[in-house]
Amino acid sequence: NAGVTQTPKFRILKIGQSMTLQCAQDMNHNYMYWYRQDPGMGLKLIYYSVGAGITDKGEVPNGYNVSRSTTEDFPLRLELAAPSQTSVYFCATCGQGITEAFFGQGTRLTVV
Amino acid sequence: QKEVEQNSGPLSVPEGAIASLNCTYSDRGSQSFFWYRQYSGKSPELIMSIYSNGDKEDGRFTAQLNKASQYVSLLIRDSQPSDSATYLCAVGGGNTDKLIFGTGTRLQVFP
Repeated sequence: NAGVTQTPKFRILKIGQSMTLQCAQDMNHNYMYWYRQDPGMGLKLIYYSVGAGITDKGEVPNGYNVSRSTTEDFPLRLELAAPSQTSVYFCATCGQGITEAFFGQGTRLTVV
Repeated sequence: QKEVEQNSGPLSVPEGAIASLNCTYSDRGSQSFFWYRQYSGKSPELIMSIYSNGDKEDGRFTAQLNKASQYVSLLIRDSQPSDSATYLCAVGGGNTDKLIFGTGTRLQVFP
């Protein structure tokens, strides 16, 4: 089992470009979360989903979009990249009732 | 008020000492509480989970939860230099299905 897989691991974007960060899990978890982590800071929740077809905003959703068409995949979309979106992005999954969260390896994104 | 608050540190303790990390949360209905350790450049990894009031021990780690005071702590006994990392408190459940993290406390254990 791969667990939680994030792609790509690194990416440099120019201001105004768009991209999709991929997150896939094979743990059959319903709950999935996207976080960003700025240097020296904790994790801030961007969006989350409790099952296919259901998504909701977290603490910092502006500038991002998500979809959840399957249990396995939870992509995060940046439409118009801005330097403020330079960060490390983590995807996590956990079971019903919010048990232990399992993290992907992260995507380091730089917007220049 | 932030949903989950931690002292950012750094907390410096000598090798062999007890490190005490604290966390408060605002959602009184929260039901799931976690401590994660994160080394620089790595993903968070779970150290402890606690769901009911009281203490939970696992090796050198003890998590303490007090729902009335909305407070959760982590004690690390016999601290080792390898424990030097950032410790993240996370709180979930309650009124939403969010899993919210604090800003983390950086722990430094010196020989």
